[in-house]
Amino acid sequence: TQLLEQSPQFLSIQEGENLTVYCNSSSVFSSLQWYRQEPGEGPVLLVTVVTGGEVKKLKRLTFQFGDARKDSSLHITAAQPGDTGLYLCALNKGGSEKLVFGKGTKLTVNP
Amino acid sequence: GAGVSQTPSNKVTEKGKYVELRCDPISGHTALYWYRQSLGQGPEFLIYFQGTGAADDSGLPNDRFFAVRPEGSVSTLKIQRTERGDSAVYLCASSSTPGTSGRINEQFFGPGTRLTVL
Repeated sequence: TQLLEQSPQFLSIQEGENLTVYCNSSSVFSSLQWYRQEPGEGPVLLVTVVTGGEVKKLKRLTFQFGDARKDSSLHITAAQPGDTGLYLCALNKGGSEKLVFGKGTKLTVNP
Repeated sequence: GAGVSQTPSNKVTEKGKYVELRCDPISGHTALYWYRQSLGQGPEFLIYFQGTGAADDSGLPNDRFFAVRPEGSVSTLKIQRTERGDSAVYLCASSSTPGTSGRINEQFFGPGTRLTVL
């Protein structure tokens, strides 16, 4: 069983559309990170959310941490081809330094 | 500044062979991590070094996998008697200090080594 479930697994949209991807867990976590990974590259950190109900914005990206700290969402407004990539959520399990990742959402934005 | 670098970028080997994968972390980063990413999956933790010592090797799948970091900077992941199931992208990451109070410290990832075992 995956600790973090991400949905949808694949998403293909047209430039200019809005989208939301989700990261859910049955466990409460103290903090969660979102990464974007492009083909042939390692993941790059986008944001860390810590407080239940927290909302963070990064240009056209809006990240939300659920009130119960068991789920998170990433909303992209007016998607662009440069947003194409694999979006991963991750947390650290049991207070250790290792990251546990979801399987990711593979986003394709078509021009 | 220079990020995390990994060599080689691609490695093709035959079943049963031995391979070494190298990671050069960001200068001054004390923590170093190895992850493995199979096709269609997120990265999966293998091992974490704090300085020269392996602080957590709970993700190593079996005793064919071993990693070292003798001087607290460069690390080498070693795989003996490779199997086809070892084919994956092996990612290395580094961070400056461990996270505090349950918060995750930012890890900076290299581009990975794509290992193919024929």
